Amino acid sequence: QSVLTQPPSVSGAPGQRVTISCTGSSPNIGAGYDVHWYLQLPGTAPKLLIFDNNNRPSGVPDRFSGSKSGTSAFLAITGLQAEDEADYYCQSYDSSLSRSVFGTGTKVTVL
Amino acid sequence: EVQLVQSGAEVKKPGESLKISCKGSGYSFTNYWIGWVRQMPGKGLEWMGIIYPGDSDTRYSPSFQGQVTISADKSINTAYLQWSSLKASDTAMYYCTRKSSSWYGWFDPWGQGTLVTVSS
Repeated sequence: QSVLTQPPSVSGAPGQRVTISCTGSSPNIGAGYDVHWYLQLPGTAPKLLIFDNNNRPSGVPDRFSGSKSGTSAFLAITGLQAEDEADYYCQSYDSSLSRSVFGTGTKVTVL
Repeated sequence: EVQLVQSGAEVKKPGESLKISCKGSGYSFTNYWIGWVRQMPGKGLEWMGIIYPGDSDTRYSPSFQGQVTISADKSINTAYLQWSSLKASDTAMYYCTRKSSSWYGWFDPWGQGTLVTVSS
């Protein structure tokens, strides 16, 4: 059972904005540990999308942005495109478990 | 280019042993932690454990402690994940991934994954 909870699915029409939440607690996000986000296209390995809450690796479009507040983090996708249809995972560190933890994952569907 | 290349898909029978590999290139292999992540069919990512190839310091998630062994051979820039006796429930995709320089940081890049199928 993951300590980081994400909505199982979100959907939006092309061009719309969608937001994915990642809810943790005091030993992880609430303790100030950074949150990172990954994109997993169907049949492929996860790929780093956002690191340290709101930083994009080179090559990631600025349509993707991250934020963090309290015990939650958020990934926003603006100008939704068909190729954004994928699974998205958050990741942070949990001091009570002494290890990295992944979120439950969210499937984004482009209507 | 920093790259992790994993060994190919495996089909095994329950009770058999298995060792899969993850070869790093394009960076100093001994200076970064390598983690292993399980993804069961249709499910999410599960952190299994991590190794520092420089001194073979290894940490396991309690869920996987005693079930798998993580090792590394720094002379050939390769990390391993092995089972002594596979079960049908070990059927999954397994990814290796490099930890950023911060212990609390992110994982990048990821290997392409090794599909392990255990079936009688």
